[in-house]
This record gives sequence, C-alpha cells and structure tokens, in this order.
Amino acid sequence: QVQLQQWGAGELRPSETLSLTCEVHGGSFKDFYWTWIRQPPGKGLEWLGEINHTGETKSNPSLTSRVTISIDTSKNQFYLKLNSVSASDTAMYYCEGFDDGFDVWGPGTMVTVSS
Amino acid sequence: SYELTQPPSVSVSPGQTARIPCSGDALPKKYSYWFQQKSGLAPVLVIYEDNKRPSGIPERFSASTSGTVATLIITGAQVEDDADYYCYSTDPSGNQGVFGGGTKLTVL
Repeated sequence: QVQLQQWGAGELRPSETLSLTCEVHGGSFKDFYWTWIRQPPGKGLEWLGEINHTGETKSNPSLTSRVTISIDTSKNQFYLKLNSVSASDTAMYYCEGFDDGFDVWGPGTMVTVSS
Repeated sequence: SYELTQPPSVSVSPGQTARIPCSGDALPKKYSYWFQQKSGLAPVLVIYEDNKRPSGIPERFSASTSGTVATLIITGAQVEDDADYYCYSTDPSGNQGVFGGGTKLTVL
C-alpha cells in the first residue's frame, strides 16, 4: 500500500525559498505521476505541477518562473521548491501520486509566509 | 489561462440525487476527475477518467460528460457525502492541470 510522507519548513519570511520533500513508501515509484497541489486557508485547490520517474515535468504557468519540481528515484522522493515567496503563498501544500485509478495524498504541510 | 467553472454550492435532502456540474472548453477531449474533500482532510479521488470509480468508492458516485460540461452525480446522497467537491482536468495542450473552484455540497 503506497503512502506519502512529506516534510519541510512551515514558517518562512517573504523572499525566502519554500522547500518541501515527499517520500513514497510502498508500491512502484516508477508507475506513478507525482504532483504538488496547494490550498490557501478557506480556498480551493491549486495545481502546482507534476513529475514522472524520468524527470519529465509540467508546472503551473502562473508560477513557472518560481517553481522547481524534481525527483530522486534512488530515494523514492520528489521535491518542490518555490522561491521568492510572499504572503499569497501561505497555504496547505500537498503531495499526491496517481497511477491508473489509484490515488494517494500526503497529509499536507501548512506553510505560512509572514514578516 | 484555462478555467473550469463550478457552482459554489449545491444542496439536496438525504436520498435525493445531487448533480454537480463542471464546465470547461476542453472537456470533450480531456479526461475529467472528481475529488471529495471533507473539512480538515486531504482530498479523496471519487471519479477518474470521466466516469470510472476507484476501488472503495460507493456505487452511488458516478459521472457523465456532455459537450463541455462534466457532471458528478451522487444517486441517493447521504449525510456523509456533505463535503466540498472539486473537478480536475488539463488545459487543451495537456501541459497544465487545472482544478475547478469547488462546490460545497450540503446534504440535510
């Protein structure tokens, strides 16, 4: 049974870089598409980007210049970096994996950007 | 940028059929997915590839697409279906994922 564990800094100052890690436990890492999604408090879901095991990425055009998604198959981990954060980046950040009808989410990491 | 449009809220009584629409120009050609999110929890996939149910999702959840509108259908809605529902798809190029704004389903 695939499970996701995620971690990263929960409090950032404006202009700092958000860095999150998602570790995959169980299952075949190579079969999934891995995605980062965020949800500001009281608001809807926003797709940030995705990556597959070959490292092929897609990202949200509204964030492309600030976002980097990468993967390390040897560690069964994938990563999100978002630079130059501001208060509008305050949100719950989720990692997610999907493979042929099987969908799994991490528990979420609340990231707050405040001076 | 590409958008998926959902109504902010839908309300039904228990046992009634709830229908939640999601409108997007690329839906005739791109798969739609539906997620259920209850307060304080991560979303759960209830429909994938337009009308398929993941293992463990009750049969009362189904979906259909007509033209540019995908619709989540909950036949015989139950109190525990009270939640936010989000549609998801990709833009016409397939290079960007997009969520609808979400619909609050009230069952009472």
